[in-house]
Amino acid sequence: GAGVSQSPSNKVTEKGKDVELRCDPISGHTALYWYRQSLGQGLEFLIYFQGNSAPDKSGLPSDRFSAERTGGSVSTLTIQRTQQEDSAVYLCASSLMPASGNTIYFGEGSWLTVV
Amino acid sequence: DAKTTQPTSMDCAEGRAANLPCNHSTISGNEYVYWYRQIHSQGPQYIIHGLKNNETNEMASLIITEDRKSSTLILPHATLRDTAVYYCIVNNAGNMLTFGGGTRLMVKP
Repeated sequence: GAGVSQSPSNKVTEKGKDVELRCDPISGHTALYWYRQSLGQGLEFLIYFQGNSAPDKSGLPSDRFSAERTGGSVSTLTIQRTQQEDSAVYLCASSLMPASGNTIYFGEGSWLTVV
Repeated sequence: DAKTTQPTSMDCAEGRAANLPCNHSTISGNEYVYWYRQIHSQGPQYIIHGLKNNETNEMASLIITEDRKSSTLILPHATLRDTAVYYCIVNNAGNMLTFGGGTRLMVKP
């Protein structure tokens, strides 16, 4: 079946603009995760959804970042008033219910460049 | 989740087995060992995971020591396309994976 799908694959935006990044998880996966990775850096956890609720928002770097998930499926990560330091690849992942031993599958990411 | 320690980098000759070690001495009984790899900045690719027993799939084998304090990922016949950063992760609750620095594997002709 289809894997985790993310859009857009690439986005260039001007500083101060808002951006929305979309994630379509694997069908049937109830858990959804957002990470980001700056160039040459490791993966940074942002937020996790179980169904439509987000029990762990600890990784969101500032109040300019928000995320929602509707219908237990698609998720949107929104960055308001983008800054140059927001430039990174934003990775979405999904899994079956978050139980030990379940595999988490990643999408190919959305590359964001803030100019 | 328990912390893991991996070498920063390793080289392997094309066609030979690549053996990537991981130390997880503080692993607890219900924590799984996962391996992912990342090529450039593509999304991390799942390779394999295990709890106690050795595991094998079409990509690799995972050897976990009896005391579970360390493990080895084996790519039996490395190719140039296996050049990547390999991450060993110990995970319990499954609600997220914490990625460390990984091992940068360079497969050379």
